[in-house]
Amino acid sequence: SQQGEEDPQALSIQEGENATMNCSYKTSINNLQWYRQNSGRGLVHLILIRSNEREKHSGRLRVTLDTSKKSSSLLITASRAADTASYFCATDAGNTDKLIFGTGTRLQVFP
Amino acid sequence: DAGVIQSPRHEVTEMGQEVTLRCKPISGHNSLFWYRQTMMRGLELLIYFNNNVPIDDSGMPEDRFSAKMPNASFSTLKIQPSEPRDSAVYFCASSLDLGRAKGNEQFFGPGTRLTVL
Repeated sequence: SQQGEEDPQALSIQEGENATMNCSYKTSINNLQWYRQNSGRGLVHLILIRSNEREKHSGRLRVTLDTSKKSSSLLITASRAADTASYFCATDAGNTDKLIFGTGTRLQVFP
Repeated sequence: DAGVIQSPRHEVTEMGQEVTLRCKPISGHNSLFWYRQTMMRGLELLIYFNNNVPIDDSGMPEDRFSAKMPNASFSTLKIQPSEPRDSAVYFCASSLDLGRAKGNEQFFGPGTRLTVL
């Protein structure tokens, strides 16, 4: 079963707008990661946030983590057409080294 | 580094045939993961290895699927016999195990698109 579920499933915006994607998970975690997948490609790691962190920034990306609500959000500011992709959250799975990926949000940025 | 290398990139085969997918992880990485991605089921972890040893194969669908990692630089995923429902994109990923507390970034290969007719 999947640990994370992203919301919304799909998002369409204009270039320059901000895009916010949310992830909910079920069990306690050590860290949460966000990945991007361009069409026909493998996933690419974007950012990792640890359970003791509440917010993290990387360029135009801002990630928040609320462990009390078991949720995270990914904000992409000033979006570009090149940001068009699917975005996945991934959480570590308890006492194992594996990651469990969410269902993904498909982001479409129109020029 | 060339990143994670997978071959073939595309495979079309007929039901009942044996399919072998190959993966070369990033040099120095000690964990390797096989995933399957479909529209219906999303991204599923099939099996992962740590230091060439299979750690968790609970995601392997059935006995028709098998995976090996004979050395640190090569892994195979075999399906025998293949069925149309095995059609999917299969990804291999590798990571450097830094411990769960630090978090392990996974590096994905380009995937193998498998079509079973």
